[in-house]
Amino acid sequence: GAVVSQHPSRVICKSGTSVKIECRSLDFQATTMFWYRQFPKQSLMLMATSNEGSKATYEQGVEKDKFLINHASLTLSTLTVTSAHPEDSSFYICSARRGWGNLLGTDTQYFGPGTRLTVL
Amino acid sequence: GQQLNQSPQSMFIQEGEDVSMNCTSSSIFNTWLWYKQDPGEGPVLLIALYKAGELTSNGRLTAQFGITRKDSFLNISASIPSDVGIYFCAAETSGSRLTFGEGTQLTVNP
Repeated sequence: GAVVSQHPSRVICKSGTSVKIECRSLDFQATTMFWYRQFPKQSLMLMATSNEGSKATYEQGVEKDKFLINHASLTLSTLTVTSAHPEDSSFYICSARRGWGNLLGTDTQYFGPGTRLTVL
Repeated sequence: GQQLNQSPQSMFIQEGEDVSMNCTSSSIFNTWLWYKQDPGEGPVLLIALYKAGELTSNGRLTAQFGITRKDSFLNISASIPSDVGIYFCAAETSGSRLTFGEGTQLTVNP
């Protein structure tokens, strides 16, 4: 299989604090991990792409200084929401991709179960 | 940016009925994917399509990659209550990034 886990599954924090979310690929090495945000009744919006050992690439409109991404190993990526505010409350989902490309057309993204962040 | 137009937005059907939903775009893609998301969970991959014209089945699910590479559809046959959820199409863009459709909320009445 291709299992991706996230921790924590749910977090409530006070405004102004920082929150770290972990994303792990449990049974494969993920060359690339992605972070998405999903607001209620909306689709998933890609926030950033991270490759192991290099800086993350952020989508337009996503503040890189607010959403810090670290991809220290082939099985772990972390997203830190710094100085969180109520408008950052959302469902954060990571995904992990095997392989280095789509030449064989067999690799795709496997998603974690998501982390519900509530900022009071 | 590249957008996927998914329809219908929601569907209410009786158990046993067949379901069809589709996604279209003005852009060309090399990969189309269909995911199902249950409340409070991450999306689960249902079917992946890699070639234009490809028709792929996964149990009661069938999906096709449009010949123009700008669209895809998903059919569910003989629906059951556990088919309830939100179905998303997604297409892969540069750098393996995914663009998602707006989702189709499926309700199945027993």
